[in-house]
Order: sequence, then C-alpha cells, then structure tokens
Amino acid sequence: QSVLTQPPSVSAAPGQKVTISCSGSSSNIGNNYVSWYQQLPGTAPKLLIYDNNKRPSGIPDRFSGSKSGTSATLGITGLQTGDEADYYCGTWDSSLSAGGVFGGGTKLTVL
Amino acid sequence: QVQLVQSGAEVKKPGASVKVSCKASGYTFTSYDINWVRQATGQGLEWMGWMNPNSGNTGYAQKFQGRVTMTRNTSISTAYMELSSLRSEDTAVYYCARGHCTNGVCDWFDPWGQGTLVTVSS
Repeated sequence: QSVLTQPPSVSAAPGQKVTISCSGSSSNIGNNYVSWYQQLPGTAPKLLIYDNNKRPSGIPDRFSGSKSGTSATLGITGLQTGDEADYYCGTWDSSLSAGGVFGGGTKLTVL
Repeated sequence: QVQLVQSGAEVKKPGASVKVSCKASGYTFTSYDINWVRQATGQGLEWMGWMNPNSGNTGYAQKFQGRVTMTRNTSISTAYMELSSLRSEDTAVYYCARGHCTNGVCDWFDPWGQGTLVTVSS
C-alpha cells in the first residue's frame, strides 16, 4: 500500500496526450515538492520532473508537471512508443515517520 | 559525468545479512545525501533511508529501523547499505540515489545507481 495514489495504468495512441495523477496528503504533497520518475523495463528509475514542474537537462518539453494542493499531475504530449514505461511520483513526507514516499506506479501503454 | 555504480547481485539465506555498495563519481561525494530505495519484482518503489556522507548522519524508514545500517567511506567515495535478519520478503532490487536535500528534506533523487538484486532463499 503506497502512501501516494496513482492509477495502475493509462494508455493512449502515438501522438496523443496522456496525464497521470498522483494524490497525497497535507503531510507530503501538500507541503513538499513533487518529482516524477520514468522506469523503462529492466532499468533504474530516471528523473523526469523535479520541484513540481521543472525538467532536468535532456528531458524533452513533451513532459510536464503540475501540482495543486495535495495532488500532482504528469503530462506527456506527442506520445511515442519509446515512452512505454512505468511512471512514479515521489515526494517527502514530513509526518512523524518522515522520509521519502512514492506512488505505486503507473504503467503507460502506447497503443 | 555524475554516476553511481553499485556492487553485484547477491544470494543470501534467511537470517543472514547483506551489504551493498554504491560508488559515486563525477561530483563531490560529501556534498549530497545518498538515499536507498528498494523494489520487489513487479512492485513499486520503497524508500529505505538516507545518509549524509559528510557527517555520517542517517535517517531510516520506520519499517527498517533496527535492521538497516547506512555507512560510507569518504576516501573512496562509496556508500554502503547493510540489511540484517534477511527474510524472503527482502528479495528485491536495491537502488542508491543521490538526494537533493535541504534541511532534512529530500526534494528529488538523481541520478540512481543501476540497482543490485538481492535474493533471499534457503
């Protein structure tokens, strides 16, 4: 049972747009930055978005992030078959059991 | 380039301990916290704890308190994660990741090591 809630799967056709939601609480998303990670099959997670909506160098602007209250959203436009992966949101939880928390992951299928 | 390279796969018996290493290069090792995250097969990411390589200070997830120890050797820019009293449920890929942290809060993790598979089986 993950602290952050993501849909298990999303799908869309090549060239289309998809969004992935991430829901938390005031002790985590509500008061800390959100990051997003892409995990291609058999590889380590890779940072896609940090500080809610910033892209690291080398990440195309097809990827975007936003946050509102205790929820965050990852958007991907112009879908490509190479985008098929698991996507995880992450943040810090500032409750008594402080530490990093992640969503359960969302499997993106590009039909 | 900034990278973290982890030690190879391990097979351990229940009750044993495992120690995974994470060698940093391309940046000043003592300037960033190292976090450890694990992932069981087909499952999501689970944060285990952090270590400040400069001070040696650590913080562990409640679930692993008493079983995990994070240490470092600054002379070789290497962090270690040792997990004891292993059980079958600890079978997972263990990742180290450089944390971008301020005042005890890590906002994001980048880069990640390639992962180390730890298999616990009798």
